[in-house]
Amino acid sequence: SQQGEEDPQALSIQEGENATMNCSYKTSINNLQWYRQNSGRGLVHLILIRSNEREKHSGRLRVTLDTSKKSSSLLITASRAADTASYFCATPGVPSQGAQKLVFGQGTRLTINP
Amino acid sequence: KAGVTQTPRYLIKTRGQQVTLSCSPISGHRSVSWYQQTPGQGLQFLFEYFSETQRNKGNFPGRFSGRQFSNSRSEMNVSTLELGDSALYLCASSLARTGELFFGEGSRLTVL
Repeated sequence: SQQGEEDPQALSIQEGENATMNCSYKTSINNLQWYRQNSGRGLVHLILIRSNEREKHSGRLRVTLDTSKKSSSLLITASRAADTASYFCATPGVPSQGAQKLVFGQGTRLTINP
Repeated sequence: KAGVTQTPRYLIKTRGQQVTLSCSPISGHRSVSWYQQTPGQGLQFLFEYFSETQRNKGNFPGRFSGRQFSNSRSEMNVSTLELGDSALYLCASSLARTGELFFGEGSRLTVL
């Protein structure tokens, strides 16, 4: 089973608008990461937030982490056509999942319309 | 610094054949992980290697195997290919065990 689950599965907005994606996870974590994947390409690391952090910024990206709710959100402000991609949250694996390095959610497919 | 390099980028095989995919990690990275990505199952962990040793293995049949060489380059092999093995195979390297993963562009395998 997935550790992280993104919501929504798909999101379509107009260029210039903000996009918010959510991730929920099941077990305690010490960090959570977000990745972006352009169609058919490799994943690119966006940001890592540690369990003792509540919010983190990187350019137009803002990530929040609420460990009490076991959830995280990724906000992309002033979206651009180039932001069209799939976005994944990833959490450290747990022993029941084979202690893999990172477990990825199913992703949110973001489409920015010009 | 060069990124993670995967070869080949695209390949087509027929059922029953075998395939070997190669991954060259970022210089200095000793951990290499492999993931299979399909539209239905998403990103599924295959295995992780560190210093030539397999540290973890995902829930895949024995047809899927891998290895890592002394220069940290890694290969994965899939024998007796099935249609369901068609996927994007992604390799990622990292420095620390729970740190950021650096992904290659993937090898897209199509099994006919």
